[in-house]
Amino acid sequence: EAQLVESGGGFVHSGESLRLSCAASGFSASSKYMIWVRQAPGKGLEWVSVIHHGDITGYADSVRGRFVVSRDDSKNTMYLQMRSLRADDTAMYYCASSVTTPGGFDSWGQGTLVTVSS
Amino acid sequence: EIVLTQTPLSSPVTLGQPASFSCRSSQSLVDGYGNTFLNWLQQRPGQPPRLLIYKVSNRFSGVPDRFSGSGAGTDFTLEISKVEAEDVGVYFCVQGTQLPYTFGQGTKLEIK
Repeated sequence: EAQLVESGGGFVHSGESLRLSCAASGFSASSKYMIWVRQAPGKGLEWVSVIHHGDITGYADSVRGRFVVSRDDSKNTMYLQMRSLRADDTAMYYCASSVTTPGGFDSWGQGTLVTVSS
Repeated sequence: EIVLTQTPLSSPVTLGQPASFSCRSSQSLVDGYGNTFLNWLQQRPGQPPRLLIYKVSNRFSGVPDRFSGSGAGTDFTLEISKVEAEDVGVYFCVQGTQLPYTFGQGTKLEIK
């Protein structure tokens, strides 16, 4: 069974950095589309980034130039390096993947909370 | 950027009655290969999102058959044939046709 587990969230001050991890099990993340999605408290879902085969990446305008997504295939893990964090980056960060469906993002982690104090 | 607009934002429904949610896109979600990557997610209170429907009308494994999706081009609908108490939550449409991927603002299903 496919499983995703996020970690690395925490409390930081504005301008600081944080690295999130998304450990996959039950499937090979290297061959799948993997995304980060965030949800500010009481708000909707916001797509953050994507990485897929060939290490092709994409970013939302709100994080481009500050966040970098990467993957370590030997650890079956995706990362999100976040720099120059701002108060409006405060959110629950989820990773998700299209494991069995084309473009369906059918597997989701439980999320990791990032709080940025101004 | 493709904008997805969901209506209504809130839907009070009586148990056992149907519910219908709309998702309208600012442009066609059909890609160059004829695929339409429009999905529906359910988020129960305190839970991560969960995939219900992918590529407009395909029910994901384990999703009850009271959930169905339809539509084409720019107009899409999620229907619940008979609402149950466990269906309470927020329903989001999301497009994966074009970067940046975008979500609708969500429709909150409540029980009357």
